[in-house]
Amino acid sequence: DGGITQSPKYLFRKEGQNVTLSCEQNLNHDAMYWYRQDPGQGLRLIYYSQIVNDFQKGDIAEGYSVSREKKESFPLTVTSAQKNPTAFYLCASSDLDGQGAREQYFGPGTRLTVT
Amino acid sequence: GNSVTQMEGPVTLSEEAFLTINCTYTATGYPSLFWYVQYPGEGLQLLLKATKADDKGSNKGFEATYRKETTSFHLEKGSVQVSDSAVYFCALKVRNRDDKIIFGKGTRLHILP
Repeated sequence: DGGITQSPKYLFRKEGQNVTLSCEQNLNHDAMYWYRQDPGQGLRLIYYSQIVNDFQKGDIAEGYSVSREKKESFPLTVTSAQKNPTAFYLCASSDLDGQGAREQYFGPGTRLTVT
Repeated sequence: GNSVTQMEGPVTLSEEAFLTINCTYTATGYPSLFWYVQYPGEGLQLLLKATKADDKGSNKGFEATYRKETTSFHLEKGSVQVSDSAVYFCALKVRNRDDKIIFGKGTRLHILP
């Protein structure tokens, strides 16, 4: 089965610690994305990558970092500099075509709680 | 800039009622339009899409028509079920090298048995 996996589903950390969220896809998609979702809110884009070894900041990149060393993997690190890290984090991927009109496919999400 | 506005929820309906969730957009150029659904504790799933004016997307009894003249993409279903309870997101994507999707804030739907 092709799809996107995120692990773990629930993650708990102490304030001041960095934490890395995993995202893997076997859809052979070029582009990958990280979103943050807060209760009752829409999705906010953190980072995205259209090609290996390249990525761009989204709307709320401060306090986060990413890497794209392999096409199928796009891990997100939530650093201690992120002021309000507790949230639901969603990873997505999409194919790219000449018109950039392809839909995104989402993973099941990771709920991060920082205390 | 590009944006999506959808009706605020929660929307509460009885089973078998008719559903409409309004969505309007502002975009430069000619966007593709999407409806995504999110069930509790899960990621988003693509429900339907339309890529050009007058296209109708449909899936699982849901429909939405791309109306360029009113810049709208309203989601409709003739007879809702309890299992349709979820959050619904309208979204757009403009055809350019920037591959970002713009999402609305979501509409929570409750269906009562």
